Amino acid sequence: EVQLLESGGGLVQPGGSLRLSCAASGFIFNTYAMSWVRQAPGKGLEWVSGISASGGSTSYADSVKGRFTIFRDNTKNTLFLRMNNLRAEDTAVYYCAKDGRTYGYGGNSFFDYWGQGTLVTVSS
Amino acid sequence: DIQMTQSPSSLSASVGDRVTITCRASQGISNYLAWYQQKPGKVPKLLIYGASTLQSGVPSRFSGSESGTEFTLTISSLQPEDVAIYYCQKYNSDPLTFGGGTKVEIK
Repeated sequence: EVQLLESGGGLVQPGGSLRLSCAASGFIFNTYAMSWVRQAPGKGLEWVSGISASGGSTSYADSVKGRFTIFRDNTKNTLFLRMNNLRAEDTAVYYCAKDGRTYGYGGNSFFDYWGQGTLVTVSS
Repeated sequence: DIQMTQSPSSLSASVGDRVTITCRASQGISNYLAWYQQKPGKVPKLLIYGASTLQSGVPSRFSGSESGTEFTLTISSLQPEDVAIYYCQKYNSDPLTFGGGTKVEIK
């Protein structure tokens, strides 16, 4: 059974930093691209960033480019999102999502499994 | 960047009705289009990918089609458990983009 378990969310002040983690199990982690998708309270879905199966290729939404960094540790089956210089508009539930196909590059994914999400609140 | 315009933003229909949701891409995306269902308080669920391929386990009353840059999700006979927000997503290239969502309610 595929499981994606996010952690690391919380309350942070504007300008602060957080690191999100997503522990994956139930599939061969190093053969699938992964992404982070967020959903602001009461709003729709927004793709944030994607990473290839090997970790060698990454893609970002313009809204987070230069502030967020996606990376993965395939030895620990874990996906990460480092978020710097956080803004109020980054407040959202952040979902870890698995590509529906093997060996995508992270910027051409659809998502067949989603984690339960972790809430990030940016507020003073 | 390619924009995805989804319509309507909400609809109300009776149980058993045929429901159609449309997603229009601002440029060609071939068939790189997925549909998701998000029930209240739940995680999004993949319904369809490749514009018309039904994900395993999804009821056959859901179907997808494409005509150029216009994509359609159809629920052939609306059921009470189909109350949800439905999103389209294009995935031909980054940035990946979701439509604004369609809220489906029972009349």
